[in-house]
Amino acid sequence: AQSVTQLGSHVSVSEGALVLLRCNYSSSVPPYLFWYVQYPNQGLQLLLKYTTGATLVKGINGFEAEFKKSETSFHLTKPSAHMSDAAEYFCAVSEETGGKLIFGQGTELSVKP
Amino acid sequence: NAGVMQNPRHLVRRRGQEARLRCSPMKGHSHVYWYRQLPEEGLKFMVYLQKENIIDESGMPKERFSAEFPKEGPSILRIQQVVRGDSAAYFCASSDRQGYSPLHFGNGTRLTVT
Repeated sequence: AQSVTQLGSHVSVSEGALVLLRCNYSSSVPPYLFWYVQYPNQGLQLLLKYTTGATLVKGINGFEAEFKKSETSFHLTKPSAHMSDAAEYFCAVSEETGGKLIFGQGTELSVKP
Repeated sequence: NAGVMQNPRHLVRRRGQEARLRCSPMKGHSHVYWYRQLPEEGLKFMVYLQKENIIDESGMPKERFSAEFPKEGPSILRIQQVVRGDSAAYFCASSDRQGYSPLHFGNGTRLTVT
């Protein structure tokens, strides 16, 4: 069965600092991996996805993530945090494209001025 | 191109009443997924439907919950005899399952049971 673990339910960084949100997955088949962002009282917006090919994936708003099969990880990074990045971030795994997603429990990112 | 539309955005029901949540997928999408988000928790898969068919309902509670996606009209998630524990945000997502297309999410319906 697939599962996702996000380390740290709350992460706080200063504006301009590196953002690192951790995600480890478990899957019996080559996974499809996703990061979504959720702003208060809104739905989920896709940040980026890994399907096949290049393991370093670039997304919207300056975020990127690297798929590391040996570590079963898909950590999300951004070199310099902005206040507008404050939100909840969810990592998700799927066994097939456009298929059911299994989500991690989420990481709330706070950005301090 | 309109996204996934969910209504109502907020729904208040008394214990024992029925709740009906609607979801219109993105244009051209025929696959719908329902998720539930409890406070301080991630999203939990409930059910996956195609037009007129339930494909995977492994996340649906065995009682009181049902879902449909008719040939015409939106997908409906129905909760009968609601209890306080049903209070949550319910999200719908759609996909065309073509290529590497991800799921597209609506803004959710926030159900409060009083």
